[in-house]
Amino acid sequence: SQQGEEDPQALSIQEGENATMNCSYKTSINNLQWYRQNSGRGLVHLILIRSNEREKHSGRLRVTLDTSKKSSSLLITASRAADTASYFCATDRYSSASKIIFGSGTRLSIRP
Amino acid sequence: KAGVTQTPRYLIKTRGQQVTLSCSPISGHRSVSWYQQTPGQGLQFLFEYFSETQRNKGNFPGRFSGRQFSNSRSEMNVSTLELGDSALYLCASSLATVQETQYFGPGTRLLVL
Repeated sequence: SQQGEEDPQALSIQEGENATMNCSYKTSINNLQWYRQNSGRGLVHLILIRSNEREKHSGRLRVTLDTSKKSSSLLITASRAADTASYFCATDRYSSASKIIFGSGTRLSIRP
Repeated sequence: KAGVTQTPRYLIKTRGQQVTLSCSPISGHRSVSWYQQTPGQGLQFLFEYFSETQRNKGNFPGRFSGRQFSNSRSEMNVSTLELGDSALYLCASSLATVQETQYFGPGTRLLVL
């Protein structure tokens, strides 16, 4: 079964608006990562947040992690057309250091 | 530094054939992982190699195998291809573990007819 599940599955917003995507997972983790994928290409790493961190920023990206709720959110502020992509969270398992599991992804569309 | 490269980029095979995909990681990266991506199953972990040893394996049949060479380059092989093996196969490299930032290649798109 999926360790990470993104919500919503698809999101369409106007350029300039903020986009929020959520990820829930089932077991204890060491790290959680967010990746972006443009139209069937390779994934690009966005942010890694460790289990002892609660929030992390990178440019227009803000990631939060709530280990008590086993959930994370990715906020993209002031969205641009180039942000149109699929976004995936990836989690490891605390007991298994050599395996990560990707969620099903959120497809984000930015309308001009 | 050059990024992760994968060859070939596109491949068409018929059922029953076998295929070998190649991945060259970023220089200095010793961990190489492989993933299968399909519309139905999403991104699924195949296996990870580190220092020429398979460190972990996902839930795939034995038809899927791989190896890593001393220069960290990796190959994956799929024997007796099935229609369901049609997918985008992604390779990723990292310095030492999959828990770190992984750098993905562009993928090999395999179509099985």
